[in-house]
Amino acid sequence: GENVEQHPSTLSVQEGDSAVIKCTYSDSASNYFPWYKQELGKGPQLIIDIRSNVGEKKDQRIAVTLNKTAKHFSLHITETQPEDSAVYFCAAGGYQKVTFGTGTKLQVIP
Amino acid sequence: KAGVTQTPRYLIKTRGQQVTLSCSPISGHRSVSWYQQTPGQGLQFLFEYFSETQRNKGNFPGRFSGRQFSNSRSEMNVSTLELGDSALYLCASSRDRNSGNTIYFGEGSWLTVV
Repeated sequence: GENVEQHPSTLSVQEGDSAVIKCTYSDSASNYFPWYKQELGKGPQLIIDIRSNVGEKKDQRIAVTLNKTAKHFSLHITETQPEDSAVYFCAAGGYQKVTFGTGTKLQVIP
Repeated sequence: KAGVTQTPRYLIKTRGQQVTLSCSPISGHRSVSWYQQTPGQGLQFLFEYFSETQRNKGNFPGRFSGRQFSNSRSEMNVSTLELGDSALYLCASSRDRNSGNTIYFGEGSWLTVV
């Protein structure tokens, strides 16, 4: 089955700096790569996703890149703000099932 | 439109008891998945239902079961509760397989076993 590794497990950045979270996956058949943000006491919220036919996708301050050859994908957050502080999960999979990474706790220091 | 709704939000059970959690997916979504989230194990996949049929199952013991109704609502049941079952149980829904697989989560049901 699919195995997703996520790094780092914790990340602290100064407000205004960029944050990068990296994930690798094992199953070359995976074609769907979503990212979720989970705030304390809440369920994960989808923030951006990418499909295997696209190498990069941007949405305002958030961007995701995908390298299918190397089987890794990354989340980039620019101009970080205190409200970006949360746990971020990557996932990889297909139509029926996705496997999640272990999460990255991002802290943005004002 | 309304998101994924889970009930109850919080509950406390005693070891040996059983519990049933409920999930109402986003209107039009036919796939419902369940996940267990704990601080040490992250998001662990329990099972996925589509059109009342279990399509995928994770590596959990048979004490964990689920079902889906004709209106796509789903329930999961945990029997003979153990202390280690204390966790946040998350339900997620998505459209059918031909429309892609964007998954939307509910707020979760916090289960504490004492």
